Amino acid sequence: AQTVTQSQPEMSVQEAETVTLSCTYDTSESDYYLFWYKQPPSRQMILVIRQEAYKQQNATENRFSVNFQKAAKSFSLKISDSQLGDAAMYFCAYTRGGSNYKLTFGKGTLLTVNP
Amino acid sequence: DVKVTQSSRYLVKRTGEKVFLECVQDMDHENMFWYRQDPGLGLRLIYFSYDVKMKEKGDIPEGYSVSREKKERFSLILESASTNQTSMYLCASSAYVINEQFFGPGTRLTVL
Repeated sequence: AQTVTQSQPEMSVQEAETVTLSCTYDTSESDYYLFWYKQPPSRQMILVIRQEAYKQQNATENRFSVNFQKAAKSFSLKISDSQLGDAAMYFCAYTRGGSNYKLTFGKGTLLTVNP
Repeated sequence: DVKVTQSSRYLVKRTGEKVFLECVQDMDHENMFWYRQDPGLGLRLIYFSYDVKMKEKGDIPEGYSVSREKKERFSLILESASTNQTSMYLCASSAYVINEQFFGPGTRLTVL
């Protein structure tokens, strides 16, 4: 069974600085997708960034980027120029490609941004 | 704008009551999902549906059932609520051709 591990239950960062959230996963599949979701306090979960396993290039969305290390099965999220609005619970998630669209989530990392 | 709505943000029920949680999406998505979210455990899949009247068990289906009579609506049913079902319940939907899931705001259920 696929597993997703987020080893950092909590992280903190100073406003305007950079922080990296870790995620590792375990799979024997070659076709899969990885995601980072953000859940702000008392607000809806939203997608931050996605990575297709077949793509070698790391995904980037504005201040958010990933470091996808396929051989190491590592998928970390880097947040640059951290803002107060980045404070949230972040979940790493995996899904196998094909017709099965179930997501497997990690346990989450709570990010605090200090002014 | 993509929208997934859930019938209640907060719900308080008594042990043994039958509880219905409703989820509606307006994106014509084929897939719909129910998760529960607990501190330190992340999100765990209860049930999902890939078509009307079709359903599959997720990782923790015990004590729950689901109903999908229309494409846009997916209901989670607690036949006889118990205190260990106190949790945050999240509904999500996705289309066949993409893997991104869109989430509702969640229902915080307390069973007394």
